[in-house]
Amino acid sequence: NAGVTQTPKFRVLKTGQSMTLLCAQDMNHEYMYWYRQDPGMGLRLIHYSVGEGTTAKGEVPDGYNVSRLKKQNFLLGLESAAPSQTSVYFCASSYSEQGWNTEAFFGQGTRLTVV
Amino acid sequence: GEDVEQSLFLSVREGDSSVINCTYTDSSSTYLYWYKQEPGAGLQLLTYIFSNMDMKQDQRLTVLLNKKDKHLSLRIADTQTGDSAIYFCAESIFPGGGADGLTFGKGTHLIIQP
Repeated sequence: NAGVTQTPKFRVLKTGQSMTLLCAQDMNHEYMYWYRQDPGMGLRLIHYSVGEGTTAKGEVPDGYNVSRLKKQNFLLGLESAAPSQTSVYFCASSYSEQGWNTEAFFGQGTRLTVV
Repeated sequence: GEDVEQSLFLSVREGDSSVINCTYTDSSSTYLYWYKQEPGAGLQLLTYIFSNMDMKQDQRLTVLLNKKDKHLSLRIADTQTGDSAIYFCAESIFPGGGADGLTFGKGTHLIIQP
């Protein structure tokens, strides 16, 4: 199993450019998440999805859009990148069922620099 | 809103025990996690504890939960150089985060001295 795969791993954007980060999971998870990680800030939730075709805002959604057209994919879009969006982005997925040993699985991260 | 607090750095000698502490504010927290992040890598789940437990041991790892004080700790016995990483405390009401995701602390950098 590949688990959670993020592409690309690294990207440098100019201010105002757009891009899409792709997250793919092969575990048939219902829930998917996008977090950003900034130095000294931990991980903060940007957007999440509880199933195919549904998305919702997290803690820091401004400047980002998401789509979940297929259950296995969760896309994070930046329409007009800003230097404040320089960060490491992590995608995660998890099951929806209540369970004793359910965890969120994380991708390896995408390091984005906006200049 | 919910808050999870951790110290930013911890330095220990190789072979000693490391104790990383975490406090949280949400009394509804049901699942409490410790994640490890090595340099340039994603987050790896180390261990978790359910809120009706006081302690969980898994090889060199011991998790202690004081629900009354909302205090969680991770003890790593016989700390090795491979334990050098950032350790994140996280909490959620639902397993895996549910619809709201996980609330993370800022992470504790564990530094190992030879």
